[in-house]
Amino acid sequence: NAGVTQTPKFQVLKTGQSMTLQCAQDMNHNSMYWYRQDPGMGLRLIYYSASEGTTDKGEVPNGYNVSRLNKREFSLRLESAAPSQTSVYFCASMELFLSYNEQFFGPGTRLTVL
Amino acid sequence: AQTVTQSQPEMSVQEAETVTLSCTYDTSESDYYLFWYKQPPSRQMILVIRQEAYKQQNATENRFSVNFQKAAKSFSLKISDSQLGDAAMYFCAYWAGNNRKLIWGLGTSLAVNP
Repeated sequence: NAGVTQTPKFQVLKTGQSMTLQCAQDMNHNSMYWYRQDPGMGLRLIYYSASEGTTDKGEVPNGYNVSRLNKREFSLRLESAAPSQTSVYFCASMELFLSYNEQFFGPGTRLTVL
Repeated sequence: AQTVTQSQPEMSVQEAETVTLSCTYDTSESDYYLFWYKQPPSRQMILVIRQEAYKQQNATENRFSVNFQKAAKSFSLKISDSQLGDAAMYFCAYWAGNNRKLIWGLGTSLAVNP
């Protein structure tokens, strides 16, 4: 039981490049989330998927797209990376009500955009 | 708007002593959940303790306990017998079902001095 996995763990991009951050969970959770964490800013929600087939914007969606590929996987895409997207990205999952609304987190991806 | 405020950006405690981290929140909901998450230098987000708003009894998990004051909208975390491994960033978070997402505080960085 791996929980929530994220790939890659580290990535360096040049401005304008694109990439996809992958997230998968093996806990059969319905809801999945993408956050970014910046110093002094706490965790900010980028996008979330309350259930398979649905996605919604969070606080800071600009410059990102997401795909809920199936119940297990939720990817985050940067189409044209900018230095302002340098951050640590976390994926999380949860099952509403069954786990007292606890979110389970992946290990994070540290992304640097030059 | 629902908000979570952690008024102490940084705190320190001597090993084996007790420390209390503060959290206040703003909501008009009556049914919700509150959480404390720990983020050590490894970056992994770990749930420390949770509290259901309908429960009057304060939650306790080993050396960690909360002081939940519903009327005051206060949710503080007490760490007893502090250990070096408790050094981390601590985040307070709030969940109400209608949001389908966690609202996060900005975090408190806790240093434990030997």
